[in-house]
Amino acid sequence: EDQVTQSPEALRLQEGESSSLNCSYTVSGLRGLFWYRQDPGKGPEFLFTLYSAGEEKEKERLKATLTKKESFLHITAPKPEDSATYLCAVQGSQGNLIFGKGTKLSVKP
Amino acid sequence: EPEVTQTPSHQVTQMGQEVILRCVPISNHLYFYWYRQILGQKVEFLVSFYNNEISEKSEIFDDQFSVERPDGSNFTLKIRSTKLEDSAMYFCASRAGTGARYFGPGTRLTVT
Repeated sequence: EDQVTQSPEALRLQEGESSSLNCSYTVSGLRGLFWYRQDPGKGPEFLFTLYSAGEEKEKERLKATLTKKESFLHITAPKPEDSATYLCAVQGSQGNLIFGKGTKLSVKP
Repeated sequence: EPEVTQTPSHQVTQMGQEVILRCVPISNHLYFYWYRQILGQKVEFLVSFYNNEISEKSEIFDDQFSVERPDGSNFTLKIRSTKLEDSAMYFCASRAGTGARYFGPGTRLTVT
């Protein structure tokens, strides 16, 4: 069964304190791993797609990496506006997206 | 920048009533989806739609649910007889070819 586990469930950082979020997955025939940002009461906002182990993508203070079993979302020198829930999702051979529960990030000034 | 839009933003209905949730996907996208998120839980896949037919559906998407693309721009989700457990945020998403699904802002459905 395809599965996505994200850790930690919640993360509190001080502004400027870099850290990483983890997404572990088991999927038959990975066709893509996706990172989304979700603000309270809003829809998921697309950040990155990764397709193969070793691939990396960057956007501003965020960097996503992928191995055969997990993905990391690295946040460098976060700001309060980076506070949100970060969702990881995988697309396997079945085609639909399987989401994790997310990591709720709070960045304090 | 093009975006997915959804109406209404909040729908309150009584148990047993029919509801229709509406979405306008990004205009050049070909694949359309509905997902739902019960408060505090994961985003869950409901159904995917391509070339005017359902291409995949989850166990959640039973006979009470249906989807339609009535014209060239709208994509709807109908729940025939709502239950209390249908209360959730419903997200529409669309995709061009391969790659990411872009989500709308959601409709909060409250069944009383």
